Amino acid sequence: ETGVTQTPRHLVMGMTNKKSLKCEQHLGHNAMYWYKQSAKKPLELMFVYNFKEQTENNSVPSRFSPECPNSSHLFLHLHTLQPEDSALYLCASSQDYQTNSNQPQHFGDGTRLSIL
Amino acid sequence: GESVGLHLPTLSVQEGDNSIINCAYSNSASDYFIWYKQESGKGPQFIIDIRSNMDKRQGQRVTVLLNKTVKHLSLQIAATQPGDSAVYFCAENYGGSQGNLIFGKGTKLSVKP
Repeated sequence: ETGVTQTPRHLVMGMTNKKSLKCEQHLGHNAMYWYKQSAKKPLELMFVYNFKEQTENNSVPSRFSPECPNSSHLFLHLHTLQPEDSALYLCASSQDYQTNSNQPQHFGDGTRLSIL
Repeated sequence: GESVGLHLPTLSVQEGDNSIINCAYSNSASDYFIWYKQESGKGPQFIIDIRSNMDKRQGQRVTVLLNKTVKHLSLQIAATQPGDSAVYFCAENYGGSQGNLIFGKGTKLSVKP
């Protein structure tokens, strides 16, 4: 079973739609992350949750709304997105989120989002 | 600002040869580095990491070298195989917050049979 599972794998939505991306990790980790990956650009950190508490919001527009009901699940709620939001959205997890802990993040395979 | 990057956007090697992928980083305070492999249609896969108190670390067929003097990181893949074809990213951690991994744009490795 994959350590980090994301659904759906592909999503096409209009600008007025509301949809949600789901991430589940089976690694026993306490920190979870959302990243945006656009073509020819480095990964961009969006949100970080540590023990279900949001610890980072990297100046993400409010049309992206994260939710972390427990340490194993992470959602990204989408509303009135723009065409430039089309990208691969990646979820990751790590043991926890502490300074100087130096742990790798483990990624899911992402949701390919296309905004019409 | 961050400027983790890679010297070459693409690298083509013959099957069986060794591959070397390079990465430059700008923050001398970075104390942790990771290499990821991303195959088409998949998420980044952790390959190997290294802490700043080390110069070299070896894994299975992979070696990471860290040169803090020139702020340079490299990934060496021995006996490159077709399955190694992917985009390789380096990432650095500034040391302040573990979550603040700064990623490079990636190098695409193509292995010719």
